[in-house]
Amino acid sequence: AQKVTQAQTEISVVEKEDVTLDCVYETRDTTYYLFWYKQPPSGELVFLIRRNSFDEQNEISGRYSWNFQKSTSSFNFTITASQVVDSAVYFCALSEAQNQGVKLIFGQGTELSVKP
Amino acid sequence: NAGVMQNPRHLVRRRGQEARLRCSPMKGHSHVYWYRQLPEEGLKFMVYLQKENIIDESGMPKERFSAEFPKEGPSILRIQQVVRGDSAAYFCASSPEVARYQPQHFGDGTRLSIL
Repeated sequence: AQKVTQAQTEISVVEKEDVTLDCVYETRDTTYYLFWYKQPPSGELVFLIRRNSFDEQNEISGRYSWNFQKSTSSFNFTITASQVVDSAVYFCALSEAQNQGVKLIFGQGTELSVKP
Repeated sequence: NAGVMQNPRHLVRRRGQEARLRCSPMKGHSHVYWYRQLPEEGLKFMVYLQKENIIDESGMPKERFSAEFPKEGPSILRIQQVVRGDSAAYFCASSPEVARYQPQHFGDGTRLSIL
């Protein structure tokens, strides 16, 4: 079965600390796609990144970086020099084809609190 | 704002009433998805629609819930005879095509509270 696990329910850090959010996935597909979304306190869901299973190059975008490890089925997200505005719930997701459509399978989310 | 538009942002209903949640997809997107986020939980897929067609409703409760995406106008998620357990945030997402690599872009959600 397809599954996404975010074992960290809550993380609290002080501003400027680095923080890594873990994501472990299970899939039967040989080609698959992973996503990260951010849900700030205002409640909307913001798409951050997509990763293809056949591209293992890590990605960096400003203070954000993503480490994709196929061998351990993990797609971890690191925020460097965290800021208060990074406080949010972060969701990892896996897309699954089903019934002529596609759905996202989400992890439970990790609530990140960055304190000044 | 060309993003996914959901309204209302907050909706309060009494038990037994009907709730109607609306979603206008991003411009150029013809694929709409509804997800539900129960308190302290992640998002769970409910239904996938294209214009005038329900493609996959495998995540929808069998009773009281229905969805449509008419030729003209927004997609509607309808909950009849609401109960306390329906209290949740309901998110709509859209995409320009249906493919596993395609990110789904979400609206701000509708927070449904049942009194």
